Amino acid sequence: DTGVSQDPRHKITKRGQNVTFRCDPISEHNRLYWYRQTLGQGPEFLTYFQNEAQLEKSRLLSDRFSAERPKGSFSTLEIQRTEQGDSAMYLCASSLELGQGNFYEQYFGPGTRLTVT
Amino acid sequence: RKEVEQDPGPFNVPEGATVAFNCTYSNSASQSFFWYRQDCRKEPKLLMSVYSSGNEDGRFTAQLNRASQYISLLIRDSKLSDSATYLCVVIPNTGFQKLVFGTGTRLLVSP
Repeated sequence: DTGVSQDPRHKITKRGQNVTFRCDPISEHNRLYWYRQTLGQGPEFLTYFQNEAQLEKSRLLSDRFSAERPKGSFSTLEIQRTEQGDSAMYLCASSLELGQGNFYEQYFGPGTRLTVT
Repeated sequence: RKEVEQDPGPFNVPEGATVAFNCTYSNSASQSFFWYRQDCRKEPKLLMSVYSSGNEDGRFTAQLNRASQYISLLIRDSKLSDSATYLCVVIPNTGFQKLVFGTGTRLLVSP
């Protein structure tokens, strides 16, 4: 399977614990995006990377959240001191963007569903 | 006010029916528009791009009205397999391709 993969698919954790999610983008894709989706809502942008550089972060990304993309390949999203409000589906997407002015499709992974109890 | 607004539905229609979804967006400088489809507990997938001139892909027709900041999707001859959530998506003029999603409209097609 050469699509975007995410691990784990499901995570149940207790409030206050730290969790880390991994995203493996489509090979050669230079851009990687993280979104969060809560029940009954559309996905919301969290952050994105151009290769290894994190170029934009949403206000939704509090200081308890950190994302990395070492070497410009896979990415991790860590949530420290989880809260019940962090319960959501965390989606990763990747794209190969060759310049400005055109739309480059973002391919989504299956997501990691986080439940904070 | 949300950047992209949609009627959440659900829209319950029989097979063969024609159904239309609408959405509005608040940022007049938005540059690109799309419809995504999301099946239950699955990831969103691009259905089609939306242009001012309108575009058609089989049974699906999408239309953009920039003056009214309004996007539509028409599905003709509905199939059971069309049951899903349809997400209206806008790329604002932010300099990068951040997708802004509406809440989605749920469609249920019954036999």
